[in-house]
Amino acid sequence: QKEVEQNSGPLSVPEGAIASLNCTYSDRVSQSFFWYRQYSGKSPELIMSIYSNGDKEDGRFTAQLNKASQYVSLLIRDSQPSDSATYLCAARNDYKLSFGAGTTVTVRA
Amino acid sequence: GAVVSQHPSWVICKSGTSVKIECRSLDFQATTMFWYRQFPKQSLMLMATSNEGSKATYEQGVEKDKFLINHASLTLSTLTVTSAHPEDSSFYICSARPVLGKGKYNEQFFGPGTRLTVL
Repeated sequence: QKEVEQNSGPLSVPEGAIASLNCTYSDRVSQSFFWYRQYSGKSPELIMSIYSNGDKEDGRFTAQLNKASQYVSLLIRDSQPSDSATYLCAARNDYKLSFGAGTTVTVRA
Repeated sequence: GAVVSQHPSWVICKSGTSVKIECRSLDFQATTMFWYRQFPKQSLMLMATSNEGSKATYEQGVEKDKFLINHASLTLSTLTVTSAHPEDSSFYICSARPVLGKGKYNEQFFGPGTRLTVL
């Protein structure tokens, strides 16, 4: 079983819609969780971090964490074409990050 | 703040040669740097953790004699791919964790990556 699993993509949403990304992790001792955005040929860019159960909002992005269910999600509201990218979920344990395979999102204009 | 650079951004080399990739934290000190490899359409895979002044810790399946890591200062780590072969062609990305590892600074900051092509 992979440490971090993401819902398979690709995910295509119309401009202005909500994109919903899901991630589960297997290691219960994981301490914090991150969502990275990666454009093709570029390195990952951190967009959200979350450490506590519940929701965390930052602009058009909302991350949700449920440690009991070992589940992390990311909502992108009012999706824009510039949001088209691969989104990587990562779990941190003892300063190491384990990444999911990524979900590719395409926002249709 | 929290800028990490990598050099070179891309490199093409012949099979059997060695290639050195530098990772620098430009505006912070990093006791720990991480080296990742990413093959096309795949996620990032941690290769090794580089600690300033000590030996790197390699992940299972990563050959330490092939991928030499040196972390000589708090702002510089280098990865040398020795006797490179075509299967080593990949996107190599480093990240750095600031010395002050609390709160916001628990995150790792990624470099822009180095595209290695071995002919």
